[in-house]
Amino acid sequence: AQSVTQPDIHITVSEGASLELRCNYSYGATPYLFWYVQSPGQGLQLLLKYFSGDTLVQGIKGFEAEFKRSQSSFNLRKPSVHWSDAAEYFCAVGAAKGFQKLVFGTGTRLLVSP
Amino acid sequence: DADVTQTPRNRITKTGKRIMLECSQTKGHDRMYWYRQDPGLGLRLIYYSFDVKDINKGEISDGYSVSRQAQAKFSLSLESAIPNQTALYFCATSDILSGVGETQYFGPGTRLLVL
Repeated sequence: AQSVTQPDIHITVSEGASLELRCNYSYGATPYLFWYVQSPGQGLQLLLKYFSGDTLVQGIKGFEAEFKRSQSSFNLRKPSVHWSDAAEYFCAVGAAKGFQKLVFGTGTRLLVSP
Repeated sequence: DADVTQTPRNRITKTGKRIMLECSQTKGHDRMYWYRQDPGLGLRLIYYSFDVKDINKGEISDGYSVSRQAQAKFSLSLESAIPNQTALYFCATSDILSGVGETQYFGPGTRLLVL
């Protein structure tokens, strides 16, 4: 069965420092991969997605993610974190063909310290 | 995303009551979904609909029902609410770009408290 693991429940980063959020997936077919962000009291906003092609994908708000098939990973990165990035981040995987039944990770809460 | 709206945004109800959560979208998408979010569990799929006549159960459909009144409207009902249905509920819609894939877009959520 497909699954997504986000091993870090909480991460604290200083403002201006770099960020990497980990995501590992288990999927029996070619996956589609997504990162969503949920700001406090808000819905889920799509940050970026990987369908095919270049394994380094760029998203909104300065985020990027790299798909590594050999490691079954899709880690999210940002070179310099801003206080407004404090939120919960969800990785999700879905089918590349057929019905897109997304499976979500349990989320990583990012705290940004001054 | 303002294209997907959910009402109400917050709801408090009592055990045994029937309640309905509503979702509307202006994105013109055929596919719609209902999820619930619980702390530490991520999002879990309750029901999904490919079009008005095609409704399917997700992984946690027990205790819930849905109605797809139109392409743009998808409602979730709790027939007899119980406290463990206290959660944040999300509606989502998706498009399918030919040859590319499907992306889901989420509403702002409805926070439900069952006493």
